[in-house]
Amino acid sequence: TQLLEQSPQFLSIQEGENLTVYCNSSSVFSSLQWYRQEPGEGPVLLVTVVTGGEVKKLKRLTFQFGDARKDSSLHITAAQPGDTGLYLCAGDHQAGTALIFGKGTTLSVSS
Amino acid sequence: DAGITQSPRHKVTETGTPVTLRCHQTENHRYMYWYRQDPGHGLRLIHYSYGVKDTDKGEVSDGYSVSRSKTEDFLLTLESATSSQTSVYFCAIKGAALANYGYTFGSGTRLTVV
Repeated sequence: TQLLEQSPQFLSIQEGENLTVYCNSSSVFSSLQWYRQEPGEGPVLLVTVVTGGEVKKLKRLTFQFGDARKDSSLHITAAQPGDTGLYLCAGDHQAGTALIFGKGTTLSVSS
Repeated sequence: DAGITQSPRHKVTETGTPVTLRCHQTENHRYMYWYRQDPGHGLRLIHYSYGVKDTDKGEVSDGYSVSRSKTEDFLLTLESATSSQTSVYFCAIKGAALANYGYTFGSGTRLTVV
């Protein structure tokens, strides 16, 4: 089984702080996606990255795909309580295969 | 957004009984998936479908079967429920190229086997 390792597993910070979540694998991914999940709901897609070295920004969130397409990071600037949730990375090794998910990072932002 | 609904949202069942969970989509997407989510394990693929009557096993398929007789419906059956199958089950559909093939998830079914 190809694995996606996410770190840290838990993160508790104050409003206004910056943070980075990492997603790593020993395997190359065709694409990598980031999802956010709130309690009692299914994950919601934030972004997809497909090109090595690609950087995408979504307001205060910055996503990067590693040059070798084996790792990715999610950086949040000036975190807000509304950012609280479970962040999941997921990748597929080739088009048409199902996504493999990391175990997630639980983020708690307090005001 | 693609329409995807799961039913029931919550179910409690006894060990040894069969249970069927339903996933319904309104967007005519080809690919559908069943995942289970457990603390410490994240989301794990049970089965998936790539068309009507076309299904395949995922990482944790033992004790589960699926059926897809119509594009819009993907059923997950626990043939004889066990306590280890207590979990939250999510159905997902795969979006189109314009959506970067992102998955849209249902709201989940919380299943408790007692």
